[in-house]
Amino acid sequence: NAGVMQNPRHLVRRRGQEARLRCSPMKGHSHVYWYRQLPEEGLKFMVYLQKENIIDESGMPKERFSAEFPKEGPSILRIQQVVRGDSAAYFCASSGQGSGTEAFFGQGTRLTVV
Amino acid sequence: QQQVKQSPQSLIVQKGGISIINCAYENTAFDYFPWYQQFPGKGPALLIAIRPDVSEKKEGRFTISFNKSAKQFSLHIMDSQPGDSATYFCAASGANSKLTFGKGITLSVRP
Repeated sequence: NAGVMQNPRHLVRRRGQEARLRCSPMKGHSHVYWYRQLPEEGLKFMVYLQKENIIDESGMPKERFSAEFPKEGPSILRIQQVVRGDSAAYFCASSGQGSGTEAFFGQGTRLTVV
Repeated sequence: QQQVKQSPQSLIVQKGGISIINCAYENTAFDYFPWYQQFPGKGPALLIAIRPDVSEKKEGRFTISFNKSAKQFSLHIMDSQPGDSATYFCAASGANSKLTFGKGITLSVRP
């Protein structure tokens, strides 16, 4: 049973480009969460999705960031017109149910904006 | 506003000793409290979790103690090993299911 798969593991983008981060949840999991981790910091919640629905996007910046979890395929976190401050590790987690259940994390995508 | 606070910020323990990491939370709506372990360049891995209806949970060398009235919980690592050297995060979630993390603590276990 494969774990949460994220790709790419490392992504380098120039300022102004778009970054697309992909996350395939564990088999049987329909709840996906995205978190951002800055150096020496804990993880910060960004968005919570179920298939075709955004449940909670209270942690998403108001501009340039979007997320989706289509009926088929992985969840995508999209960052448009990246800036240096977007450089961070982005982690995806999945769970089989929502509230209060075990969430398993992927290995993350480390985004570097140059 | 930091809803989940960890202490200490770093910890050095001798091999075979007990590592104790503390966590305090503010939101009384939280009802699920996991601990995650993270190695450099890796994702957080779920270690152990507890709900407020029990005061203690043990899995192998790892124990969570939970004090609901004080809004605190702690992780105890018995017989600490060099391989336990990592960053440890406490977290909490409620009905909205999103995890609120502490800032993490770096544990070093000396041989």
